[in-house]
Amino acid sequence: DTEVTQTPKHLVMGMTNKKSLKCEQHMGHRAMYWYKQKAKKPPELMFVYSYEKLSINESVPSRFSPECPNSSLLNLHLHALQPEDSALYLCASSAGQGSNEKLFFGSGTQLSVL
Amino acid sequence: QQQVKQSPQSLIVQKGGISIINCAYENTAFDYFPWYQQFPGKGPALLIAIRPDVSEKKEGRFTISFNKSAKQFSLHIMDSQPGDSATYFCAASTENNFNKFYFGSGTKLNVKP
Repeated sequence: DTEVTQTPKHLVMGMTNKKSLKCEQHMGHRAMYWYKQKAKKPPELMFVYSYEKLSINESVPSRFSPECPNSSLLNLHLHALQPEDSALYLCASSAGQGSNEKLFFGSGTQLSVL
Repeated sequence: QQQVKQSPQSLIVQKGGISIINCAYENTAFDYFPWYQQFPGKGPALLIAIRPDVSEKKEGRFTISFNKSAKQFSLHIMDSQPGDSATYFCAASTENNFNKFYFGSGTKLNVKP
């Protein structure tokens, strides 16, 4: 199984809502990532978990809150988002062993904030 | 400051032709250079990758050429097919911070039948 599964595929939320994005992988990978991608732009790194500990936070606003309950799951909790946060949110995983990391991306959650 | 610069922004190639996408970098600590392919509505998928100790790597119709002295690398797609129409991103990372990838701005390739 070389898949990274993300749910939901689409999400529409108001600025006062609280929602969560979910990501799951069963490749035994020990690094998991959240990326944000705007249309016609490259993915932008948000967070990295390495061995279930947050290792990189790219100065992301606190309205985005990541969580890694175990080595296979990654969540992104959303609260009080702004319309400019509308984007494709991609989860990825990699072995976490060192250089030559191969990122495996999910298909993403297309988020619209109204 | 963009760490990896990619060109062209868009590319139109006839079926059977060669598609060439170029990337340049400044950070000599980069030691891993992957290329990702992204179709609409999908996440990027690793296509091919190279380390700076080799000048070329070929996998099927896809070849990376690497010029360490010029700090440039390029993706060549031979015998381009309509199914290759996608957005391509180059990227780079360092050994000390291998979880952090610096992506190029992307090239949208359109292969015409």
